[in-house]
Amino acid sequence: ETGVTQSPTHLIKTRGQQVTLRCSSQSGHNTVSWYQQALGQGPQFIFQYYREEENGRGNFPPRFSGLQFPNYSSELNVNALELDDSALYLCASSLVPGNEQFFGPGTRLTVL
Amino acid sequence: AQTVTQSQPEMSVQEAETVTLSCTYDTSESNYYLFWYKQPPSRQMILVIRQEAYKQQNATENRFSVNFQKAAKSFSLKISDSQLGDTAMYFCAFMKLFGATNKLIFGTGTLLAVQP
Repeated sequence: ETGVTQSPTHLIKTRGQQVTLRCSSQSGHNTVSWYQQALGQGPQFIFQYYREEENGRGNFPPRFSGLQFPNYSSELNVNALELDDSALYLCASSLVPGNEQFFGPGTRLTVL
Repeated sequence: AQTVTQSQPEMSVQEAETVTLSCTYDTSESNYYLFWYKQPPSRQMILVIRQEAYKQQNATENRFSVNFQKAAKSFSLKISDSQLGDTAMYFCAFMKLFGATNKLIFGTGTLLAVQP
């Protein structure tokens, strides 16, 4: 059984650019949640996708958007990057919403 | 809105000793889960233990156990026979049981250092 994978591992962008982060969910899981973890903080919920539809959103601006594909993998897109977007972005998958969430290793995004 | 508070930013324990990490939470919900996650330097968030609020019995997983006090909204983690591999950031997290979105709400974490 393959766990949750994320790509890339690290990414460096400049302010104003756009970025796409990718996540492959664990086999059989149809729900993906994205979290932002700033340095020294706990993860903050960005949004959740269930069966290709957004299933809830945290307190993040619209320039944070996502997609979920038929194979339940997911993308997180961030437009007009700001310095404060520098963080570890975690993806977690679950069998269905409400079940245990299994996390990937994260993508470290640095915005200069 | 739910909140999770971890009041111990850092803790240290000697190998083979026992340590307790504290967590309090605030919610008006009756049905929810509480979790402890471990995040080592590798960054991978690993589930340590889970407690369902409707269960009165405290959860245990090998060397890890919790003290769940629902009325006090307290959820502490006890690590027995601490090992060097337990060195990590530990996060307490809350998840509502019913609802359209089952998001995890995390505390700010406790950095645990196990000393040889």
